Amino acid sequence: KAGVTQTPRYLIKTRGQQVTLSCSPISGHRSVSWYQQTPGQGLQFLFEYFSETQRNKGNFPGRFSGRQFSNSRSEMNVSTLELGDSALYLCASSPPVLGGAQYFGPGTRLLVL
Amino acid sequence: AQSVTQPDIHITVSEGASLELRCNYSYGATPYLFWYVQSPGQGLQLLLKYFSGDTLVQGIKGFEAEFKRSQSSFNLRKPSVHWSDAAEYFCAVGVVTGTASKLTFGTGTRLQVTL
Repeated sequence: KAGVTQTPRYLIKTRGQQVTLSCSPISGHRSVSWYQQTPGQGLQFLFEYFSETQRNKGNFPGRFSGRQFSNSRSEMNVSTLELGDSALYLCASSPPVLGGAQYFGPGTRLLVL
Repeated sequence: AQSVTQPDIHITVSEGASLELRCNYSYGATPYLFWYVQSPGQGLQLLLKYFSGDTLVQGIKGFEAEFKRSQSSFNLRKPSVHWSDAAEYFCAVGVVTGTASKLTFGTGTRLQVTL
């Protein structure tokens, strides 16, 4: 079974721009979660989607948003980029079992200049 | 609020030596606990998980972890470390609220293996 895929793998943007990251979950997984990883803050939860609905949201500003499509693929969007948004953005999918393990993709490394 | 503490930021062991990485959690209910490993520039790979039942769980790559409720701990162990085990290790607790869930991670332990 193919793992979680994320595109693009690397991205360079400038302050004020917006960016869209994509995630394709493992086949059969309907829950997709997003995390931000930075050296200073570590791994922080952004949001979780299930059946196209946001079920849970972390403590991030409204510039961070996401959505999920009917095929469970998910996108996250960051508008008005700031230097501090430079990070590794990780997507994870999990099977339809409450509290189930999450399986991570390779991440998208975003650099904001 | 839930939290995970990994008290060791950096650990160095010799190849062939045993390994124990510490993890303490704080969570009001029965925890779902996980260990992940991350190599440089990569995503997180699931090593093992604890949901319920047997408190000693086996994972991939020869790792195991023991859940001790009385100590709120979930330490990761390996009897003989290989040079390829050098990476960063994250302990996480799965938090379930209603129908939603998320992982709360510790700050990670970087493992260095000397030959």
